[in-house]
Amino acid sequence: DAGITQSPRHKVTETGTPVTLRCHQTENHRYMYWYRQDPGHGLRLIHYSYGVKDTDKGEVSDGYSVSRSKTEDFLLTLESATSSQTSVYFCAISESHGPGELFFGEGSRLTVL
Amino acid sequence: AQTVTQSQPEMSVQEAETVTLSCTYDTSESDYYLFWYKQPPSRQMILVIRQEAYKQQNATENRFSVNFQKAAKSFSLKISDSQLGDAAMYFCAYRRSYNQGGKLIFGQGTELSVKP
Repeated sequence: DAGITQSPRHKVTETGTPVTLRCHQTENHRYMYWYRQDPGHGLRLIHYSYGVKDTDKGEVSDGYSVSRSKTEDFLLTLESATSSQTSVYFCAISESHGPGELFFGEGSRLTVL
Repeated sequence: AQTVTQSQPEMSVQEAETVTLSCTYDTSESDYYLFWYKQPPSRQMILVIRQEAYKQQNATENRFSVNFQKAAKSFSLKISDSQLGDAAMYFCAYRRSYNQGGKLIFGQGTELSVKP
């Protein structure tokens, strides 16, 4: 299994509070991604990174920011959490060559009350 | 923009029987990759099978095979000799070959139940 660790795995917070989810990889893969999973929508890309300090937006980036200061860590921040951000968040990594399949972390369930 | 559609929110199959999950996609690209991922109740995303668009031969992995129809933009997954452990959510996904970062676009998912 790819070495991807997400933390925290579960979090309950209140509307308006900041939240940071962390993704840590031990595979030295160049690309890292944050997806959210919601019923009826599959997985949707929030942000991704193609290198240290290099990030870009996905299709549902509003309300989220990311940072990548080291190859192995990719942080997802909700500056002011809203109930619509209640979801399961997945981090994924991929290599820069080949078919580019994603290897996923175990997911982080976030509940915003 | 590329899209992926799974029109079957739920499917059911009897143990040991065969089931086919449907997936269609929309793209103007000629070179791309397609994937099927499995998500059991543990929530872990597991790659089941992948297909390169430039290959005419359908991919096969043990009991899992695909029917790739490039002209029809169809990519169905066939599971033979279904087992209880096959019960899961299945996602179809698409990636352009030259898409920076290998971003995957996912379908909505099909939840497969297996009856003993």
